[in-house]
Amino acid sequence: GAVVSQHPSWVICKSGTSVKIECRSLDFQATTMFWYRQFPKQSLMLMATSNEGSKATYEQGVEKDKFLINHASLTLSTLTVTSAHPEDSSFYICSARTEYNEQFFGPGTRLTVL
Amino acid sequence: AQSVTQLDSHVSVSEGTPVLLRCNYSSSYSPSLFWYVQHPNKGLQLLLKYTSAATLVKGINGFEAEFKKSETSFHLTKPSAHMSDAAEYFCVVRPPGGYQKVTFGTGTKLQVIP
Repeated sequence: GAVVSQHPSWVICKSGTSVKIECRSLDFQATTMFWYRQFPKQSLMLMATSNEGSKATYEQGVEKDKFLINHASLTLSTLTVTSAHPEDSSFYICSARTEYNEQFFGPGTRLTVL
Repeated sequence: AQSVTQLDSHVSVSEGTPVLLRCNYSSSYSPSLFWYVQHPNKGLQLLLKYTSAATLVKGINGFEAEFKKSETSFHLTKPSAHMSDAAEYFCVVRPPGGYQKVTFGTGTKLQVIP
């Protein structure tokens, strides 16, 4: 299957700082990528849909100014958590959709905000 | 609207015994259905998918699932559990047609007892 990578795999930051997470489709082009958030022992919740060359579509209740998404190329989407606070600590997972409508998931990024 | 219900949040089986993880869905039309596995602090791996072809779907690692429209179910089974099967399992539904968003179930944690 296709491979999606995320970087970093884990990050610890101080409250008030910003953190950028990268999501890359390694062997295919993805016009659409998705960002999910997963709290401990819970399911994945869709945060936003990232479309190459256009603005991301955010789910209800997700602050677009706090979670900045940039899908600058067909293989890269970035999620920036701005002014991070401890409640933003979570597991962030991206996925990329192929031209055949298959969705592949990245390995996730563990964010801890102190 | 679509939804997916995983009836058990936690399932415990002995090594070598059968595994049954239950999933029921609700969808206006015949959806696509998926099972994903997530090991601790890892991303999601696709086990199998149903996309309106054969109702009995075989996946990786000996898992299979049967789509039963009359029961709106897509239960995941494996004849003999292995220690490495211990993980979180997610049932996922996607409506038909075009590029639709997926909806995740709440997950079932499988524990395998030696």
